[in-house]
Amino acid sequence: GAVVSQHPSRVICKSGTSVKIECRSLDFQATTMFWYRQFPKQSLMLMATSNEGSKATYEQGVEKDKFLINHASLTLSTLTVTSAHPEDSSFYICSASGGQETQYFGPGTRLLVL
Amino acid sequence: QKEVEQNSGPLSVPEGAIASLNCTYSDRGSQSFFWYRQYSGKSPELIMFIYSNGDKEDGRFTAQLNKASQYVSLLIRDSQPSDSATYLCAVNPGNDMRFGAGTRLTVKP
Repeated sequence: GAVVSQHPSRVICKSGTSVKIECRSLDFQATTMFWYRQFPKQSLMLMATSNEGSKATYEQGVEKDKFLINHASLTLSTLTVTSAHPEDSSFYICSASGGQETQYFGPGTRLLVL
Repeated sequence: QKEVEQNSGPLSVPEGAIASLNCTYSDRGSQSFFWYRQYSGKSPELIMFIYSNGDKEDGRFTAQLNKASQYVSLLIRDSQPSDSATYLCAVNPGNDMRFGAGTRLTVKP
């Protein structure tokens, strides 16, 4: 149980375009979803926390207008990177929690902005 | 002081040995503690969680928690080359989870 999927697994885009990443909990209802970013050989960095039906809470230094998060249902959250630039290239990972404290991670989305 | 501290490693052990991974945390009110494994280029996967002081065993893995010392560890018995990965310690002090930077473990055949 506790399977989380992400789509797409890999995306390459041109600078200035927007990219949407989906995160789904497949076999449980995720009351809270988390979005992380990880640069090569660095640790996970929490970007934001979202609860179903409410606005996401962003970590300090993360631009909410650039990283749009929508948690429209108990099984789906989306992260949209708007006007992506090369410095946004990273590994984006979502996780989901179903009310217990344990977070289950999706497989991640590797974003490359040219 | 970081909220969750781990030795970055690399920690190298021979195959069949016990690997010991350590983690300290700063928030004394933390109630739940997690160990995740992350292979290179992959996302983290949960190995175990522990809430109470003492040891918790699951197969070759044993988590140890000492709240008085604010210390949590993970022991891997009979280490295998497939255990080579980065191990992340995570602590939940309240409403969210804080991760350590991870310890890179290499198990040599």
